[in-house]
Amino acid sequence: NAGVTQTPKFRVLKTGQSMTLLCAQDMNHEYMYWYRQDPGMGLRLIHYSVGEGTTAKGEVPDGYNVSRLKKQNFLLGLESAAPSQTSVYFCASIMTYEQYFGPGTRLTVT
Amino acid sequence: AQKVTQAQTEISVVEKEDVTLDCVYETRDTTYYLFWYKQPPSGELVFLIRRNSFDEQNEISGRYSWNFQKSTSSFNFTITASQVVDSAVYFCALSEWGTGNQFYFGTGTSLTVIP
Repeated sequence: NAGVTQTPKFRVLKTGQSMTLLCAQDMNHEYMYWYRQDPGMGLRLIHYSVGEGTTAKGEVPDGYNVSRLKKQNFLLGLESAAPSQTSVYFCASIMTYEQYFGPGTRLTVT
Repeated sequence: AQKVTQAQTEISVVEKEDVTLDCVYETRDTTYYLFWYKQPPSGELVFLIRRNSFDEQNEISGRYSWNFQKSTSSFNFTITASQVVDSAVYFCALSEWGTGNQFYFGTGTSLTVIP
């Protein structure tokens, strides 16, 4: 039981490049979330999903897209990366209101 | 408007002192959940406690205790006899039943315990 895993752990992108962050959970959870963490800002919700095939916008969705084609995976895409998207990204899934977080992805956009 | 406010940005205490981390929340829902998470220097997020809006009993877990007061919309966290291993950033969070289980996090309190 791996819990929540995130791929990759680190990434450096140049402005304008695209990439996809993968979140996978093996706990059969319905709800999954993507957050970004910036210094002094706490965690802010980007997008979330309440089940396979459904997604919704969170607090800071601009510049990101998501997909939940399989229940266990939640993908976060950056189509054209900007320096403002330099952050640590956390994925989470929940069961009975307890969130399980992945280890995070540190993304730098130069 | 910030739904979860952690007014203390940084706190330093000497080992064995008690310390209280404040959390004030804002919601119109009658059903909601409150959480505390710990983020040590290694970066992972560790779940500490969950409280639902219908349960105002205070909780104690070892050196940790939580005081939930709906009258003041506060969910404060106290560490008794602090230890160096308690040094971390602590986040308070709110989940509202009526918003599709969205979570709102405070900006965190960085606690440093000095040996």
